[in-house]
Amino acid sequence: DAGVIQSPRHEVTEMGQEVTLRCKPISGHDYLFWYRQTMMRGLELLIYFNNNVPIDDSGMPEDRFSAKMPNASFSTLKIQPSEPRDSAVYFCASSLWTSNNEQFFGPGTRLTVL
Amino acid sequence: AQTVTQSQPEMSVQEAETVTLSCTYDTSESDYYLFWYKQPPSRQMILVIRQEAYKQQNATENRFSVNFQKAAKSFSLKISDSQLGDAAMYFCAYRSQWGGADGLTFGKGTHLIIQP
Repeated sequence: DAGVIQSPRHEVTEMGQEVTLRCKPISGHDYLFWYRQTMMRGLELLIYFNNNVPIDDSGMPEDRFSAKMPNASFSTLKIQPSEPRDSAVYFCASSLWTSNNEQFFGPGTRLTVL
Repeated sequence: AQTVTQSQPEMSVQEAETVTLSCTYDTSESDYYLFWYKQPPSRQMILVIRQEAYKQQNATENRFSVNFQKAAKSFSLKISDSQLGDAAMYFCAYRSQWGGADGLTFGKGTHLIIQP
């Protein structure tokens, strides 16, 4: 299996631009998670999906952030408009249905907003 | 809400020695899961070891073992025979037993340095 795939690996954009991060979970996994990692706040859960349905988006920082999962093999995290404080590494992870199952992380997308 | 605390921002150990990384957590739940993740400079998150709260026996994976003290809400990671490849950030993480709270709550991490 190819593991969790994220694209792009690096993204540099200017303040005010729209940014879309993409994730392909491991085939057969029914949970998908988006995390953000910053020096100040560490790793934070933004949102997670179960069977393509958003379950908990309480970690999404503000309305500029939105996430979708149109099918079992694809999810997006969009920031519109982007701001310099959104600069971070964004991870996608997937897992199987039971809570004790490991979350498999993608390689992350390093986002820089100038 | 659950919180996870790692009180050691950085640790240093000589190659082949043993090092212990500390983690404490706060929860009102009785059933949950605890994890240690490793993040090398490549930034890939790698699961090191997992502990189910209902199990009294401490988890072990080769050179990695945990000391799980449920009453004290403590979950330390011991790395024996440290190797240069163990150098990384280590994150302690908590996950609820029950659906609806399946995301991981992470500590701030410990940067582990291995001295050759």
